[in-house]
Amino acid sequence: NAGVTQTPKFQVLKTGQSMTLQCAQDMNHNSMYWYRQDPGMGLRLIYYSASEGTTDKGEVPNGYNVSRLNKREFSLRLESAAPSQTSVYFCASTRASGMGGELFFGEGSRLTVL
Amino acid sequence: RKEVEQDPGPFNVPEGATVAFNCTYSNSASQSFFWYRQDCRKEPKLLMSVYSSGNEDGRFTAQLNRASQYISLLIRDSKLSDSATYLCVVNIDYGQNFVFGPGTRLSVLP
Repeated sequence: NAGVTQTPKFQVLKTGQSMTLQCAQDMNHNSMYWYRQDPGMGLRLIYYSASEGTTDKGEVPNGYNVSRLNKREFSLRLESAAPSQTSVYFCASTRASGMGGELFFGEGSRLTVL
Repeated sequence: RKEVEQDPGPFNVPEGATVAFNCTYSNSASQSFFWYRQDCRKEPKLLMSVYSSGNEDGRFTAQLNRASQYISLLIRDSKLSDSATYLCVVNIDYGQNFVFGPGTRLSVLP
């Protein structure tokens, strides 16, 4: 059972380059999230998607865009990478709002921007 | 004041010890509560959901005090494999908003 799958697991970019982080879940969850985690800091929400066709900004959305491609997939795009975006990115999913369920996480994508 | 605060740690304890972590939350609309475990450079994994009546899973016991707005995690008979960072997570209004505490790092020493 794969759960939440993220690709790529590692990426090095130069300042100004663009890239997309992919996330897919096979648990039939409605809600999906993108977080970033920096050393010594907690997880901070970038964007989330409550259901297919909707996306909303989280705490730190600047410099990112997202696409909820279908119920399974939620991608995060960096249009012009900056060194401040060096971080570990986690995708997560949960059943749906109103159900009180827990978050399930992917293994993370480690991004370095030079 | 941060929405979710945890004991700053780190906690360094010998094998076999009992250790307790506390977490406080500020939003009274918080409805669901969780403890996650995160190993170094890995993803957070659910350790326990926390229920109003308190719950136990083997060596782990979680308590919720809604009146005082805090959650606790007790680990008995600590193992070396318990070494990790423990994250307190609160869900607001059963909605989309999951708020994470900064985590408390535990090192269990031989």
